[in-house]
Amino acid sequence: EAGVAQSPRYKIIEKRQSVAFWCNPISGHATLYWYQQILGQGPKLLIQFQNNGVVDDSQLPKDRFSAERLKGVDSTLKIQPAKLEDSAVYLCASSSPTVIFETQYFGPGTRLLVL
Amino acid sequence: AQKVTQAQTEISVVEKEDVTLDCVYETRDTTYYLFWYKQPPSGELVFLIRRNSFDEQNEISGRYSWNFQKSTSSFNFTITASQVVDSAVYFCALSRGGQGGKLIFGQGTELSVKP
Repeated sequence: EAGVAQSPRYKIIEKRQSVAFWCNPISGHATLYWYQQILGQGPKLLIQFQNNGVVDDSQLPKDRFSAERLKGVDSTLKIQPAKLEDSAVYLCASSSPTVIFETQYFGPGTRLLVL
Repeated sequence: AQKVTQAQTEISVVEKEDVTLDCVYETRDTTYYLFWYKQPPSGELVFLIRRNSFDEQNEISGRYSWNFQKSTSSFNFTITASQVVDSAVYFCALSRGGQGGKLIFGQGTELSVKP
């Protein structure tokens, strides 16, 4: 079974530029998550989708971040305009609800450096 | 509010030593789930184990073992006879009961196993 795919793996941009990240979840996984991991910290949830609907985006800085999951499969996370503090690893995860609980499986992440 | 604390920022051991990574959590939920993930230098979070709040049985998987104690709100992880390949950052995480709960991560413990 293929894992969660993310691209690009690395991105360097200047502040005020825009950037987009792509995620393809594990086949059949209805739930998709985007996490931000700042260096030296644990990941923090930005947004959670169930199929193509948003479940939780309370921690998403909506003035500059946006995300979509068209057709309930792939997802795109965008930052516009980027700030220095957005430098981080952006992790995508997916899960498939079971009867009791679900485990999130993560992709390799996109490392973003904002100069 | 939910919180996960990993007090050990860095641990360094010599190969074949046993090492325990501590995890303390806070939650008001009666149903919750605890996880351990491994993050090697490549950056991908690798799922290791999931435990629900009703199952306090300790678990052993090869050289890995986990000790869950609700009385002290701890979910510690022990690696027996450590190997260089165990070098990574290890994260403990907490999720609410039910489906689709976001993960609350600790700060992570960086384990370095030297030959």
